[in-house]
Amino acid sequence: NAGVTQTPKFQVLKTGQSMTLQCAQDMNHNSMYWYRQDPGMGLRLIYYSASEGTTDKGEVPNGYNVSRLNKREFSLRLESAAPSQTSVYFCASSESGQFYGYTFGSGTRLTVV
Amino acid sequence: GDSVTQMEGPVTLSEEAFLTINCTYTATGYPSLFWYVQYPGEGLQLLLKATKADDKGSNKGFEATYRKETTSFHLEKGSVQVSDSAVYFCALSGSSYKLIFGSGTRLLVRP
Repeated sequence: NAGVTQTPKFQVLKTGQSMTLQCAQDMNHNSMYWYRQDPGMGLRLIYYSASEGTTDKGEVPNGYNVSRLNKREFSLRLESAAPSQTSVYFCASSESGQFYGYTFGSGTRLTVV
Repeated sequence: GDSVTQMEGPVTLSEEAFLTINCTYTATGYPSLFWYVQYPGEGLQLLLKATKADDKGSNKGFEATYRKETTSFHLEKGSVQVSDSAVYFCALSGSSYKLIFGSGTRLLVRP
């Protein structure tokens, strides 16, 4: 079982560059999420997709865009990277509803210089 | 809005000591509660959950009881091992169905 697969695992960008973080899940989950993790701040929701064809903003959406390409794939794009976006990014997926936990990917460590 | 508060770490224990990590929450309605564990360099893994008041979640020797009267979901383990060293996150899922996380508590277990 692959679960949730994120690529790349590590990335260094220069300020102003763009990139797309990829995420795919093989559990037939309806919902997918992008979080960022910063020291002392836990995980903060960037964007989520409750089902294929829908996306919504989370707590910290500024500077990011997302695409739910199909039921399996949910990508996160940084159009013009800034040092404040240096973080570890996690993708997750879940069944719909409050009783289900999330399955997380192993993360992408992004550094913007 | 909904929120989760965890005790600040790091928590440092000797092997075989008793562990408690406190977690309290604020939410409307009847949220589901979760504990996640994150080992160094890895993503978060679901450790245990409880979906209604008085439920006890348990896994790998860890336990937590959903206490609605005190709005708490404290994580406990009777005898910790070095391999339990990790960061532990408490989280809730309410009417919005989105998980809201606490800030995490780092546990360090010394041999």
